[in-house]
Amino acid sequence: GQSLEQPSEVTAVEGAIVQINCTYQTSGFYGLSWYQQHDGGAPTFLSYNALDGLEETGRFSSFLSRSDSYGYLLLQELQMKDSASYFCAVRGSAQGDYKLSFGAGTTVTVRA
Amino acid sequence: DGGITQSPKYLFRKEGQNVTLSCEQNLNHDAMYWYRQDPGQGLRLIYYSQIVNDFQKGDIAEGYSVSREKKESFPLTVTSAQKNPTAFYLCASTEGAGDTEAFFGQGTRLTVV
Repeated sequence: GQSLEQPSEVTAVEGAIVQINCTYQTSGFYGLSWYQQHDGGAPTFLSYNALDGLEETGRFSSFLSRSDSYGYLLLQELQMKDSASYFCAVRGSAQGDYKLSFGAGTTVTVRA
Repeated sequence: DGGITQSPKYLFRKEGQNVTLSCEQNLNHDAMYWYRQDPGQGLRLIYYSQIVNDFQKGDIAEGYSVSREKKESFPLTVTSAQKNPTAFYLCASTEGAGDTEAFFGQGTRLTVV
């Protein structure tokens, strides 16, 4: 099975940088994904890391270290609209176990 | 436009009644998933299906049932055996069983009174 751990909440001011860490345990591994969910809405896909290293998509970057079973999402130049919950997710790759499992989520609050 | 449609958005049921939540996708995706989300919590996997006529239990399948008779449809039934059914239910799909980019519906908020 899979398990993921991430901090429950982070607060920062506009313009700041926030890093959300995610550690995982999984039997087999396709990669680490990140999703954003605004209050009451549906999660939307942000990024995916299959290999070690940094992936940059505009103000958001995601990092993966497979040897450490660790990744993070970096939010730069924070804006009020970035206030949301962020989830890391992994997919199992063992035969018969292709679950797409999510962490409990990190609530990011951006203050003026 | 391609996407996932969940209906209804809000659903109220009396305790002891079974209720079926609809999930339809026109993305031609093979894999579909049902998640439950409780206030302030993450997404917990109920059931998932990699292909038509096949599905597997997730982490919290007790009290739920699904079917996958058509590629585009994956309905979830919340049975009376589910002890605490009030929650936000999200349906998702991925192109294949090994894909990690999931597309979500807007969710159904079920309240059992």
